[in-house]
Amino acid sequence: SQQGEEDPQALSIQEGENATMNCSYKTSINNLQWYRQNSGRGLVHLILIRSNEREKHSGRLRVTLDTSKKSSSLLITASRAADTASYFCASHNTDKLIFGTGTRLQVFP
Amino acid sequence: NAGVMQNPRHLVRRRGQEARLRCSPMKGHSHVYWYRQLPEEGLKFMVYLQKENIIDESGMPKERFSAEFPKEGPSILRIQQVVRGDSAAYFCASSPPGLSSQDTQYFGPGTRLTVL
Repeated sequence: SQQGEEDPQALSIQEGENATMNCSYKTSINNLQWYRQNSGRGLVHLILIRSNEREKHSGRLRVTLDTSKKSSSLLITASRAADTASYFCASHNTDKLIFGTGTRLQVFP
Repeated sequence: NAGVMQNPRHLVRRRGQEARLRCSPMKGHSHVYWYRQLPEEGLKFMVYLQKENIIDESGMPKERFSAEFPKEGPSILRIQQVVRGDSAAYFCASSPPGLSSQDTQYFGPGTRLTVL
């Protein structure tokens, strides 16, 4: 299977803490993307990092990419209860996105 | 500019029936992708289409599943003789023409198929 893996599978933190999720992928990539999915809903695109970039920021999000290790991490700083959702990485290879297994984040107020 | 639209949002079928899922891409988008999400799992690529052409169907099951994106109208994902294992959320995404534009895919809200 080409599907990537994410860890942890589930993460519970208090509001204000930082949340870090890791993702590993298997194939060569054009870019790597992170998506968020609220329970029972569609996906929301969060951030894209290209294969020649190592780090990218967007608001409270920070993404790193290590192509030598085929891994990426997503850091959410100063988390809020509204950040509670599942987070998926997706490696972009030619024409399709290959999603990871997801991390379920629970932020307690 | 309306986002990607999918209908129906929920679909219930009995084993052996046919399921038709529709996806209208964002205005100006000519690339459509279908993904399937089983409960508690990530999305898995099924098929990539451009108008009137299937570009990549490497993720489509060999039997019972078909997809089209006609010149006019929405893209259709068709599942014949559904089985309980087809129960899942099916997501459509679209992207505009042009190589670099394919980086970001815009997702619809999904169709949740339940097979009884």
